[in-house]
Amino acid sequence: ETGVTQSPTHLIKTRGQQVTLRCSSQSGHNTVSWYQQALGQGPQFIFQYYREEENGRGNFPPRFSGLQFPNYSSELNVNALELDDSALYLCASSFPSGRANEQFFGPGTRLTVL
Amino acid sequence: AQSVTQLDSHVSVSEGTPVLLRCNYSSSYSPSLFWYVQHPNKGLQLLLKYTSAATLVKGINGFEAEFKKSETSFHLTKPSAHMSDAAEYFCVVSGLGYGNKLVFGAGTILRVKS
Repeated sequence: ETGVTQSPTHLIKTRGQQVTLRCSSQSGHNTVSWYQQALGQGPQFIFQYYREEENGRGNFPPRFSGLQFPNYSSELNVNALELDDSALYLCASSFPSGRANEQFFGPGTRLTVL
Repeated sequence: AQSVTQLDSHVSVSEGTPVLLRCNYSSSYSPSLFWYVQHPNKGLQLLLKYTSAATLVKGINGFEAEFKKSETSFHLTKPSAHMSDAAEYFCVVSGLGYGNKLVFGAGTILRVKS
């Protein structure tokens, strides 16, 4: 069974640029959630995708957008990067069944915005 | 709305002594609760979860947690700390709606002294 994978592992961008982060969900999981973990803080929910549709969004501006593909992999796109976007971005996959299920996390992508 | 409060940002114990990491939660309905561990430069790993079954939950690596509704607490314990337990621990709440998004506490860094 393949776990959640993310790419790239590290990324350096400058203010105003755009970035795309990628996530492959665990086999059999149809739901992907994205979280932002700033240094010294707990992860914050960005949004979730279920069967290619956005299924909930946290308190993040529209320049944070996403996609989910038919194979349930997912992308997180961030436009007009700001210094405060520097963080570890975590992807988690799950297979919800009406009651909260555990989410399986990837290793994350470390984004640095200069 | 749901939230969690981890009462200690840092906990230091000696190897072989008990570990107690404290967590209080707030939820307008019956929550699911989790403890995740994050080792340096690694992703999040699930230690244990509570989903309205037994109130005493056993997890991996000898950790356990007790759900106390009257105290709205979900403290994590381990009888004997090992050096490999040094990491950051997150208490997490999830509930119904919005695809089971996870709400993380701020984290507790556990230091284990030899």
